[in-house]
Amino acid sequence: DGGITQSPKYLFRKEGQNVTLSCEQNLNHDAMYWYRQDPGQGLRLIYYSQIVNDFQKGDIAEGYSVSREKKESFPLTVTSAQKNPTAFYLCASSPRAAQETQYFGPGTRLLVL
Amino acid sequence: GENVEQHPSTLSVQEGDSAVIKCTYSDSASNYFPWYKQELGKRPQLIIDIRSNVGEKKDQRIAVTLNKTAKHFSLHITETQPEDSAVYFCAASSPLKGAGSYQLTFGKGTKLSVIP
Repeated sequence: DGGITQSPKYLFRKEGQNVTLSCEQNLNHDAMYWYRQDPGQGLRLIYYSQIVNDFQKGDIAEGYSVSREKKESFPLTVTSAQKNPTAFYLCASSPRAAQETQYFGPGTRLLVL
Repeated sequence: GENVEQHPSTLSVQEGDSAVIKCTYSDSASNYFPWYKQELGKRPQLIIDIRSNVGEKKDQRIAVTLNKTAKHFSLHITETQPEDSAVYFCAASSPLKGAGSYQLTFGKGTKLSVIP
């Protein structure tokens, strides 16, 4: 999991603003994921991507968008439509989407001003 | 979709005692079950996993058991140490619509405190 990086570590969002969280991996993994973590809620899947130029909605995709233009990069945009964005966001990757172990990045904590 | 229940939500044990965390899942098609350990403010780290073709797996002080008939699996930590204190998450991998797609569904976590 040392091959997955996320930036920034902390991010502050003003009301009505879109913000983008970065996720990069150098593990040559095909699949990448975004999770949201709230206290007492575990990890919930926002979006996932099995291959470049393809991505699918997870359980809580509303108010978020992603892109997968390069294999190693899977940025997440938190849009102004996400009314409760304060959370710890975790990116993960796995060699393939088919029941492979997922490895997590260090996370980004998003706070609303 | 898959639903994973995890118990207990908090667990305190004396150093040297054993700790057991239990999870149940709903989708009989799930067949990969990882366990993650997360220290405060850090990323989840995989500590052990099990696939449905085995009933038990052990790695030093950590073991996982799986009962596919009852749809439950458990994490066992023996001879606990203060550095075992963390939040532990179970997960189940279930198929999504479309060939070859799987999703990990996580339990809500167990906060383990090991008292010296």
